[in-house]
Amino acid sequence: RKEVEQDPGPFNVPEGATVAFNCTYSNSASQSFFWYRQDCRKEPKLLMSVYSSGNEDGRFTAQLNRASQYISLLIRDSKLSDSATYLCVVGSSGTYKYIFGTGTRLKVLA
Amino acid sequence: EAQVTQNPRYLITVTGKKLTVTCSQNMNHEYMSWYRQDPGLGLRQIYYSMNVEVTDKGDVPEGYKVSRKEKRNFPLILESPSPNQTSLYFCASMSGHLNEKLFFGSGTQLSVL
Repeated sequence: RKEVEQDPGPFNVPEGATVAFNCTYSNSASQSFFWYRQDCRKEPKLLMSVYSSGNEDGRFTAQLNRASQYISLLIRDSKLSDSATYLCVVGSSGTYKYIFGTGTRLKVLA
Repeated sequence: EAQVTQNPRYLITVTGKKLTVTCSQNMNHEYMSWYRQDPGLGLRQIYYSMNVEVTDKGDVPEGYKVSRKEKRNFPLILESPSPNQTSLYFCASMSGHLNEKLFFGSGTQLSVL
């Protein structure tokens, strides 16, 4: 089993739709969680950190479920510019080791 | 502007010809790391460094070397490249505090023929 797993997609959604991605992780000692966005062949960029209480940034909402060991990303009112690959990143407790998921590809269609 | 500068952006070479990919950051970050990204495998860590003269292996270190003689620079060295090292490489840095975000360089697409 991979340490961090994501559905690779692609998720094809119309503009204005709401879309959600999940990411599961295997190490129960994981302490830090992030969503990164990556455009084709470019560097990953932090979209948002994920906190235990859940957090929101504009149209984006991230949730953490420690009991079931998954994090989620919800995108509301999808824009064409949201088309990208979304990487789930998990950090281990007490280390600087970050494990990357393989990414979920989103295509927002006009 | 805070950034991680990685060069070159594209590199084509032949098997066995030593090469170096440079990485420099201007944020005084303690932590630097190299990743490779391959289709279906995500980003995998090659080497990382917690500080000057301190380096450690990641998940896929075979065939690579690194050095950290200065805080800002963390070059990746391929002494004898092979075709299975054809990949997209990213350098990243972080402040050194846990749970901080990674800053990435713009990537190096390496092709080994």
